[in-house]
Amino acid sequence: SQKIEQNSEALNIQEGKTATLTCNYTNYSPAYLQWYRQDPGRGPVFLLLIRENEKEKRKERLKVTFDTTLKQSLFHITASQPADSATYLCAFPGDSGYSTLTFGKGTMLLVSP
Amino acid sequence: NAGVTQTPKFQVLKTGQSMTLQCAQDMNHEYMSWYRQDPGMGLRLIHYSVGAGITDQGEVPNGYNVSRSTTEDFPLRLLSAAPSQTSVYFCASSYGGFRYNEQFFGPGTRLTVL
Repeated sequence: SQKIEQNSEALNIQEGKTATLTCNYTNYSPAYLQWYRQDPGRGPVFLLLIRENEKEKRKERLKVTFDTTLKQSLFHITASQPADSATYLCAFPGDSGYSTLTFGKGTMLLVSP
Repeated sequence: NAGVTQTPKFQVLKTGQSMTLQCAQDMNHEYMSWYRQDPGMGLRLIHYSVGAGITDQGEVPNGYNVSRSTTEDFPLRLLSAAPSQTSVYFCASSYGGFRYNEQFFGPGTRLTVL
């Protein structure tokens, strides 16, 4: 079955640096990929969707890449700020039923001043 | 728009009790879903609906029932609560198919089963 892997260890970076989070997948070839942000005690919030033929997508300080050969998506936050501290989740179309999403476990990002 | 609302925010149950977690959205979304989130497990899909009167099982449906009588509401019923159902429950909705449309999540319900 499909498997999604995100680094379970928190990523600690200094303010102003670029944060890069990784999402790897196996046994699947998704046509779409989504990234969400989740703050403690809150529901996830949608950030970006990228299609397999887009390779890269940007939104303000956010950039997502989608490498179907490596079976990997990278999520970048440039000029990171302490307010960017949160858990970031990637999600792919599920392989059960139809029109469902399967989420990775998320990676926590901590940006220190 | 209120978006996706969930009630209650917190709930404590005893083993064997039943209850309904409420979810409502005011965005006229056809697609709605319920997830549970446990430490180290991530978000797991319980049930979903692609329109009024249409529901289907997700990854972890056992012990839960759903119905969708209106576009706005998608309640989740725990039939006989068990400690293994202690979790944070999120309801979500989207305009179209989950795969290629953003999902809007509610604030969550934190459930503890003793």
